[in-house]
Amino acid sequence: EVQLVESGGDLVKPGGALRLSCTASGLTVTNAWMNWVRQAPGKGLEWVGHIRTKIDGGTTDYAAPVKGRFTISRDDSKNTLWLQMNSLKSEDTAVYYCTALLPPQGPRWGQGTLVTVSS
Amino acid sequence: DIVMTQSPDSLAVSLGERATINCESSQSVLYSSNNKNYLAWYQQKPGQPPKLLIYWASTRESGVPDRFSGSGSGTDFTLVISSLQAEDVALYYCQQYYSIPVTFGGGTKVEIK
Repeated sequence: EVQLVESGGDLVKPGGALRLSCTASGLTVTNAWMNWVRQAPGKGLEWVGHIRTKIDGGTTDYAAPVKGRFTISRDDSKNTLWLQMNSLKSEDTAVYYCTALLPPQGPRWGQGTLVTVSS
Repeated sequence: DIVMTQSPDSLAVSLGERATINCESSQSVLYSSNNKNYLAWYQQKPGQPPKLLIYWASTRESGVPDRFSGSGSGTDFTLVISSLQAEDVALYYCQQYYSIPVTFGGGTKVEIK
């Protein structure tokens, strides 16, 4: 059974930084299509970024609002996905979810971790 | 980016009646090499993460009641709750995972009439 567990969410001041982690079991993050998705309070679901599988080059893509501030990486030895968030803004306040797709299964989601950016 | 348009925004259905939610993608999410539609449906209740109901447009996730069904192909998809139960009151989202960025519909709120 696939499980994704996010952690690292916290209250941080505007301009601050935070690193989220997503530890996987039941799949290898190297081989799955891994994404970060967020949901601001009372809002819908917003894609944050993605890291390709190792076979596909391991490159990353980001949504425009976070490009240049957020970085996705993987630690294969720990089977963990990271989201480094710098220069945080109030509009980054959200629950951040780690998601994985490894066909033929459907998408798998973690429980999420709350990031609050406020002074 | 593929735009996902859900309709209606909300609907109120009597207990035991049928609820139908539609989702249209701005381009096809059918991958020709495996004939799979990269389309998922989620249910979300307040304070909870999205719960996967349907993937590949019509495959029910393990443990999901069979009153939930998904259909459609290409650009037009439907989620049906065949007999609405009180515990089905929630927000429902469609998602395409055919291409990056993955994108979501705006959500449909299902309530009891």
